[in-house]
Amino acid sequence: KAGVTQTPRYLIKTRGQQVTLSCSPISGHRSVSWYQQTPGQGLQFLFEYFSETQRNKGNFPGRFSGRQFSNSRSEMNVSTLELGDSALYLCASTTGTSTDTQYFGPGTRLTVL
Amino acid sequence: GENVEQHPSTLSVQEGDSAVIKCTYSDSASNYFPWYKQELGKRPQLIIDIRSNVGEKKDQRIAVTLNKTAKHFSLHITETQPEDSAVYFCAAISTGANNLFFGTGTRLTVIP
Repeated sequence: KAGVTQTPRYLIKTRGQQVTLSCSPISGHRSVSWYQQTPGQGLQFLFEYFSETQRNKGNFPGRFSGRQFSNSRSEMNVSTLELGDSALYLCASTTGTSTDTQYFGPGTRLTVL
Repeated sequence: GENVEQHPSTLSVQEGDSAVIKCTYSDSASNYFPWYKQELGKRPQLIIDIRSNVGEKKDQRIAVTLNKTAKHFSLHITETQPEDSAVYFCAAISTGANNLFFGTGTRLTVIP
């Protein structure tokens, strides 16, 4: 079974731009969660999508948004990029039950200049 | 919401010694506690997890213990090897939610 994939792996943007990241979960998994990882704040939950609906949301500004498609692939979008948005963005795939294992993708390294 | 604290932030051990990492959580509704290992430049990978209906789980050199009354859980690695060197994260998740709350990580260095 193929693992979780994320594209692109690396991105460089400038302040004010917007960016879209993509995540393809493990086949059969219906839940995709997004996390931001930074040296200062660690791993923080952004949001979770299950069956095309946002089911859970972390404490991030509205510039961070996402969606999920019928094939469970998910995208997250960050608008009006700020320097502080530079981070590793990880998505995690699971069946959708809270105690099931979350499998992480390799991440997208976003650098905002 | 849930708050997970993790100690120590760094840990150095000699090869062959044991390593213990401890986490506490605040939400008594949390019922699933995974541990992830993240090597430099790589994704977090699950190494072991425990659910609230058990107190201890072991997988070869790795074990996790859970004390629900005290709201803490620990990772134990025995007979450490240089390839165990990585950052380890504990996490907690509560019933009805599907987002992991992570500890701040422990950088483990195993000295050959």
